[in-house]
Amino acid sequence: ETGVTQSPTHLIKTRGQQVTLRCSSQSGHNTVSWYQQALGQGPQFIFQYYREEENGRGNFPPRFSGLQFPNYSSELNVNALELDDSALYLCASSSGGETQYFGPGTRLLVL
Amino acid sequence: GNSVTQMEGPVTLSEEAFLTINCTYTATGYPSLFWYVQYPGEGLQLLLKATKADDKGSNKGFEATYRKETTSFHLEKGSVQVSDSAVYFCALKNSGGYQKVTFGTGTKLQVIP
Repeated sequence: ETGVTQSPTHLIKTRGQQVTLRCSSQSGHNTVSWYQQALGQGPQFIFQYYREEENGRGNFPPRFSGLQFPNYSSELNVNALELDDSALYLCASSSGGETQYFGPGTRLLVL
Repeated sequence: GNSVTQMEGPVTLSEEAFLTINCTYTATGYPSLFWYVQYPGEGLQLLLKATKADDKGSNKGFEATYRKETTSFHLEKGSVQVSDSAVYFCALKNSGGYQKVTFGTGTKLQVIP
């Protein structure tokens, strides 16, 4: 149990729709990172937020965007959903240290 | 850029067998190295880590040693149990900068009674 929670656990959307995924970080952690894990693959870094600012981004298009709130919780927004966006979305929190602690993930299916 | 290469799976072992999952990496500087485990239908759990050369990470009977000369971080366990069945990910993070973690593709372990 890491203390990182994500909602919802599962989600089904259709192509072209928009989705918002949520993450509550572990108490005391000020950094949140988001990852996309396609079936059978390792997680791929989407972006990271530190004290409400995006401070790193992976190779994902601008339709993937995020927010971090003053309590360090975070949202991942994906616009214009595509079939290939179907994946497990993982949130990880950390606090200026080496180790990221992951939540259970949100499984998104795009039809 | 950074990359992590893991041995292909799935790996099938009998209970109490010895486990090795190979992991090699490419990175600039002196990265920290991690093994994460993912049980079916769940997120990632940190299994162990090592932050500098020759460090040994260990947890729950699993061990891995940070070998800078061979850029490797192989995972080992002396006697696996059925409950160890999961997907294991080797990962690295560079020191400094933002905290992007680079993962391998994962190795599925199945332990049979």
